Amino acid sequence: GAVVSQHPSWVICKSGTSVKIECRSLDFQATTMFWYRQFPKQSLMLMATSNEGSKATYEQGVEKDKFLINHASLTLSTLTVTSAHPEDSSFYICSARGQGGTSGYNEQFFGPGTRLTVL
Amino acid sequence: AQTVTQSQPEMSVQEAETVTLSCTYDTSESDYYLFWYKQPPSRQMILVIRQEAYKQQNATENRFSVNFQKAAKSFSLKISDSQLGDAAMYFCAYRSAGNQFYFGTGTSLTVIP
Repeated sequence: GAVVSQHPSWVICKSGTSVKIECRSLDFQATTMFWYRQFPKQSLMLMATSNEGSKATYEQGVEKDKFLINHASLTLSTLTVTSAHPEDSSFYICSARGQGGTSGYNEQFFGPGTRLTVL
Repeated sequence: AQTVTQSQPEMSVQEAETVTLSCTYDTSESDYYLFWYKQPPSRQMILVIRQEAYKQQNATENRFSVNFQKAAKSFSLKISDSQLGDAAMYFCAYRSAGNQFYFGTGTSLTVIP
């Protein structure tokens, strides 16, 4: 199956700093990538949808100036948490959807997630 | 907006037995997809099974099968011959026409040896 990687897998940072998380589709071209946030023992909450070459679409309540998303190529999307604070500590998961042919079901392939801890 | 409800926060099953996880959803769309994902302690989301809404036949994948009741907007997952490796969080998901996924709150499955 298609593989999606995330880097880093775990990051610890000081309050006020910015953190960048990368999401890569390794063996397919992802026209659309999704970013989710998951708190412990809770479900995945969609933060934003990004299409290659265009601005991301953010879900209601998600601060676009705080969570900067860039989808510059068909294999890479980045999420930058700007001026991170302890309440931003969470598990961030990306997923990628192919151009078709990858799966007739337009399946989303999930990355392994990134644990962000803000001190 | 679509909502997905999993009414069982926790379930347990004896090894080799069968367990059914419940999921209901709310939508006004007629064409959509439904999924069950497994999230083990590693937190990697793993697709278990998928169902197209236009198909009446219930999807099956080895020991995993679904009971899809479109009129009732119900999509339950049956795990047969449960194995220790099945222990995980299970999320029911709805994929909208806009290709966005909506997840339920999850069911934590414990498999008892």
